[in-house]
Amino acid sequence: EVQLVESGGGLLQPGGSLRLSCEASGFTFSIYAMSWVRQTPGKGLEWVSSTSDSGGSTYYADSVKGRFTVSRDNSKNTLYLQMNSLRVEDTALYYCAKGRWLRDIDYWGQGTLVTVSS
Amino acid sequence: DVVMTQSPLSLPVTLGQPASISCRSSQSLVHSDGNTYLNWFQQRPGQSPRRLIYKVSNRDSGVPDRFSGSGSGTDFTLRISRVEAEDVGVYYCMQGAHWPLTFGGGTKVEIK
Repeated sequence: EVQLVESGGGLLQPGGSLRLSCEASGFTFSIYAMSWVRQTPGKGLEWVSSTSDSGGSTYYADSVKGRFTVSRDNSKNTLYLQMNSLRVEDTALYYCAKGRWLRDIDYWGQGTLVTVSS
Repeated sequence: DVVMTQSPLSLPVTLGQPASISCRSSQSLVHSDGNTYLNWFQQRPGQSPRRLIYKVSNRDSGVPDRFSGSGSGTDFTLRISRVEAEDVGVYYCMQGAHWPLTFGGGTKVEIK
């Protein structure tokens, strides 16, 4: 059974940094693309970032480019999202998601809440 | 960016009756590899999204056959042949043909 467990969310002030983690199990992590998607009540679902199976290719939404960095450690079956220069508008529930191919999403984690507020 | 437009926003349905959700994209979702990358997700209250349909019309494992997807190019439809109580939730389409990935705004299915 595919399991994706996010952690690392929290409450912080604008300009702060946070690293989200996603531990994967139930599938061969190293051969699948992975993504981060966030959800807010007002803006619905917003794709944030994706990485290829090896981590050699990464992709970002314009809204986070230059501030967020996606990475993965295939030896630890873990996906990361380093979030810097956080803004109030980054407040959301962040989901880790698996894809069968790049630009695909088939399984989602339960999400971790990030709140940016002064 | 490809804009995904869903309608209706809200869909009250009688149990056992059919339901249909439309999703239109601002650009063709046919990729250069020949595939059309359009997914449908269901998000039940308090849960994470769950994929129902991939590449327009392929049902994911475990998805009841009352769910079906159709369409081509820029115009797509999710149909529920007979709505059951467990189908209540918000349904999203998502395109995976172009970066950035984009989602529709969602359609809330509720029981009348």
